[in-house]
Amino acid sequence: NAGVTQTPKFQVLKTGQSMTLQCAQDMNHEYMSWYRQDPGMGLRLIHYSVGAGITDQGEVPNGYNVSRSTTEDFPLRLLSAAPSQTSVYFCASSYLQSSSGANVLTFGAGSRLTVL
Amino acid sequence: GQNIDQPTEMTATEGAIVQINCTYQTSGFNGLFWYQQHAGEAPTFLSYNVLDGLEEKGRFSSFLSRSKGYSYLLLKELQMKDSASYLCAVRDSNYQLIWGAGTKLIIKP
Repeated sequence: NAGVTQTPKFQVLKTGQSMTLQCAQDMNHEYMSWYRQDPGMGLRLIHYSVGAGITDQGEVPNGYNVSRSTTEDFPLRLLSAAPSQTSVYFCASSYLQSSSGANVLTFGAGSRLTVL
Repeated sequence: GQNIDQPTEMTATEGAIVQINCTYQTSGFNGLFWYQQHAGEAPTFLSYNVLDGLEEKGRFSSFLSRSKGYSYLLLKELQMKDSASYLCAVRDSNYQLIWGAGTKLIIKP
């Protein structure tokens, strides 16, 4: 099993450019999410999905869009990049957090984004 | 508001024992997680506590007291490869994960 595959690993953008971070999982997880990680701060949830066709906002959704057309894929779109979006982005998936058990998150390898 | 507190950084000696504390104030409680994150890598799962008490898994143990809003991660027989950040996360009443900023553990020979 590949687990969670996240691309690209590194990206440099200019202010105002758009891009998509790709995320795919092969574990048949219902729950998928995008986090950003900044120095000195905990992981912050951007958007999440509990199944195909269902998405919802997390703590810091502004400037980002998501879609979930299939169970496997959950791309994150930056519409008009800003320097404040310079960060490390992680995609993570699990069985539904609300179902019984730990439902541990499996993380992708991360995408380091720099916006100039 | 919701809050998770952990020490920013700790230093310990190879072969020793270290305890990393986590205190939390959240809207409800549906479990507490510890993840390990090596520099430049993704977080990986270490432990899960939902009931009070100690969960032991090899060299790592995790303790939870729900009444005190407190957990700790205990690492025994420290090895150099244990140098990493340790993230505490609480699942709240809405089944959302609230993350602490992480504790960077430095192991010295």
